[in-house]
Amino acid sequence: GESVGLHLPTLSVQEGDNSIINCAYSNSASDYFIWYKQESGKGPQFIIDIRSNMDKRQGQRVTVLLNKTVKHLSLQIAATQPGDSAVYFCAENAGGTSYGKLTFGQGTILTVHP
Amino acid sequence: GAGVSQTPSNKVTEKGKYVELRCDPISGHTALYWYRQSLGQGPEFLIYFQGTGAADDSGLPNDRFFAVRPEGSVSTLKIQRTERGDSAVYLCASSYQGGETQYFGPGTRLLVL
Repeated sequence: GESVGLHLPTLSVQEGDNSIINCAYSNSASDYFIWYKQESGKGPQFIIDIRSNMDKRQGQRVTVLLNKTVKHLSLQIAATQPGDSAVYFCAENAGGTSYGKLTFGQGTILTVHP
Repeated sequence: GAGVSQTPSNKVTEKGKYVELRCDPISGHTALYWYRQSLGQGPEFLIYFQGTGAADDSGLPNDRFFAVRPEGSVSTLKIQRTERGDSAVYLCASSYQGGETQYFGPGTRLLVL
């Protein structure tokens, strides 16, 4: 759901479940999208990326889906583990004059219960 | 290989003071980025270097903020006349070339009292 300031969206799952984290982006010109995982006290860690000419990309236990029609991005984590607990951010790169600039979403807190 | 490193990891200063934050990118990465992250928010873009030059500094909030990368490797973010609102985590990232995957350092936690 919608959240403002410190009230990030949260997702709580049991170990072994599949997790789906969603992200809406605003810039239809964005051509590159990335998911980052951030643990407390650490910098964002790259998970997976996708270019706008693709609608799906798979990594190890993770899949990113891109729906450009509705400007929606999702991250699917298979067999979620307690070590997956973190804040997850989607980020977009608009290219063009904003070539090097990533714009981040607000983040989703994932909690995995053993 | 070594990732992006940032020093100091924590910095406490008083309002009005000058601070410098350092970033060592991944070796061979030509692009370097600075972001600022406030509590409960995603990182916000500050500036992007391609080599020694600032390719995009549109995110710097005002003229108290300045960054340099004189030899195309290490970068320093400089904040003059710090204000309490500057308190945040300052993140540095690098990529092989501009527009490619950005890898982040651990950040410098700045607290302005």
